[in-house]
Amino acid sequence: DGGITQSPKYLFRKEGQNVTLSCEQNLNHDAMYWYRQDPGQGLRLIYYSQIVNDFQKGDIAEGYSVSREKKESFPLTVTSAQKNPTAFYLCASSIHSGAVNNEQFFGPGTRLTVL
Amino acid sequence: AQSVTQLDSHVSVSEGTPVLLRCNYSSSYSPSLFWYVQHPNKGLQLLLKYTSAATLVKGINGFEAEFKKSETSFHLTKPSAHMSDAAEYFCVVSLTGNQFYFGTGTSLTVIP
Repeated sequence: DGGITQSPKYLFRKEGQNVTLSCEQNLNHDAMYWYRQDPGQGLRLIYYSQIVNDFQKGDIAEGYSVSREKKESFPLTVTSAQKNPTAFYLCASSIHSGAVNNEQFFGPGTRLTVL
Repeated sequence: AQSVTQLDSHVSVSEGTPVLLRCNYSSSYSPSLFWYVQHPNKGLQLLLKYTSAATLVKGINGFEAEFKKSETSFHLTKPSAHMSDAAEYFCVVSLTGNQFYFGTGTSLTVIP
């Protein structure tokens, strides 16, 4: 099946720890995105990548880092510098960046809780 | 600058009655517009999209939306609500295809 997978579904972290969320897609999409979702705030863009080995900060990049070493993979690291990391994290991809009629395909999400 | 406003944070309808979820956008140029649905603790699923072709767009599960440039609106409708329609709905705008701007969401409750 083609799609986007995120793992784990639930993740618990102690304060002061870094944690990495996985996102993999087998859709052969060029662009990938990470969003954070908090109740009542919609989705906010953390980072996006248009091509391998390149990525740009979104609106709330502080305390997060990413890498894009392979086309199909876009892991997100939540660092200890992120002051309020408890949230639902969504990964998305689109076929190529810059086409106006692009649509995004979303993974099932990872719920991160800081203890 | 682009922005999206979903005018209602919560909408309740009875099963079998029409659904209207409202969305207004601001954009200097003709944008692409999308509606997504999200069920609890799930990812987002595309319902429909507008990309400057027909102004009335039909989507999955009986939903449709009409692009009205003069009103800068892209409201989502369905003639008859089903219990399975209960979910969170997001209106999204994109100009460049690089970045997508999300509304804050509308929670739809369907009353049996």
